[in-house]
Amino acid sequence: KAGVTQTPRYLIKTRGQQVTLSCSPISGHRSVSWYQQTPGQGLQFLFEYFSETQRNKGNFPGRFSGRQFSNSRSEMNVSTLELGDSALYLCASSSDSRSGNEQFFGPGTRLTVL
Amino acid sequence: GQQVMQIPQYQHVQEGEDFTTYCNSSTTLSNIQWYKQRPGGHPVFLIQLVKSGEVKKQKRLTFQFGEAKKNSSLHITATQTTDVGTYFCAGRRGSGGSNYKLTFGKGTLLTVNP
Repeated sequence: KAGVTQTPRYLIKTRGQQVTLSCSPISGHRSVSWYQQTPGQGLQFLFEYFSETQRNKGNFPGRFSGRQFSNSRSEMNVSTLELGDSALYLCASSSDSRSGNEQFFGPGTRLTVL
Repeated sequence: GQQVMQIPQYQHVQEGEDFTTYCNSSTTLSNIQWYKQRPGGHPVFLIQLVKSGEVKKQKRLTFQFGEAKKNSSLHITATQTTDVGTYFCAGRRGSGGSNYKLTFGKGTLLTVNP
């Protein structure tokens, strides 16, 4: 099976712009979670989608949003970018996180906000 | 909200020495997972512990889940240079609603001097 893929791998934006990141889960996985990773804060949970519904949300401002499509692919959007949004954004898929199944992480999208 | 504390933040050892990282949750967990992230890579699942007092071994790695299901540890015997990376614990509370999300510790960065 192909692993989790994320596009783009690298992105440079300026403050005030918006960005959309994409994640394709492992075939058959219906749960997709998004995390923000920074050196100071570690891995912080953004949100989780399951069967096109947001099932869980972390403590991030409304500028961070996401969605999931019927084929389980997911996108996250960040509007009005701030310098502090520079981070590695990781998505992870699992067959069903409620069952405590392991999460398979993608390679991440490294976002730099100038 | 749920917090997962992980110590130490950094650990540098000589090859052949042992290494332990500890994870403590502010709430009782239904299960805990451990991940390893190599430098420049993404987190990779190592193991999941579910039962109170559970101990699991993977070659030189020993994982423990506390009796109260609020703490866990990962011990590596006789470290090798291939063990270099950041080790994360991730805890999940019981069933129902927002408790499904995984809360990650900030990780322990292990470096090994050959």
